[in-house]
Amino acid sequence: NAGVTQTPKFQVLKTGQSMTLQCAQDMNHNSMYWYRQDPGMGLRLIYYSASEGTTDKGEVPNGYNVSRLNKREFSLRLESAAPSQTSVYFCASSDRGPSGANVLTFGAGSRLTVL
Amino acid sequence: GNSVTQMEGPVTLSEEAFLTINCTYTATGYPSLFWYVQYPGEGLQLLLKATKADDKGSNKGFEATYRKETTSFHLEKGSVQVSDSAVYFCALKGGEYGNKLVFGAGTILRVKS
Repeated sequence: NAGVTQTPKFQVLKTGQSMTLQCAQDMNHNSMYWYRQDPGMGLRLIYYSASEGTTDKGEVPNGYNVSRLNKREFSLRLESAAPSQTSVYFCASSDRGPSGANVLTFGAGSRLTVL
Repeated sequence: GNSVTQMEGPVTLSEEAFLTINCTYTATGYPSLFWYVQYPGEGLQLLLKATKADDKGSNKGFEATYRKETTSFHLEKGSVQVSDSAVYFCALKGGEYGNKLVFGAGTILRVKS
């Protein structure tokens, strides 16, 4: 009964380093999402994937890339990390495509610090 | 564009006190409205939702009524418990952003025993 699993839970990077956040869901959901959470700003959508093989930009995509590896997995990559990308990142999935998505299931979050 | 405004926190209450967390929204059309809760160290979970005007969502003693005339979806609970301490997010889906969720900034609730 894992739901949405994110790795790593914590990561510290230096400016300019790259890294990939991994996300996997075991609920056979079609849609997956990456959000970032910053104090006083709620959650902002970075990228989403309506179905396997498709990805689309959200509200704040700059500096990020994503890959929908298969139906279960959706990774988020920072090619050249910047201090402005210090945040808590959440992966989520939903049981219908965005046109009918109603309830998101979230992972526990990944806290990233860029020095 | 779509936006959600929540009351600033943190909100600190004693156990068994009455809770209100205000949420107002701006959106075109008829959005669906949600409250999500985030317990310490965890991801967000859906608490309740309402999909049309005058609907009341309820769960775990929490309630919120979709008020189109005041564009509000305030969260209430009659008697809070220490275990309700969490961050509460109001969110909407619909209008300009289609079916992607737009979240408010979140309100921290602390309940003291």
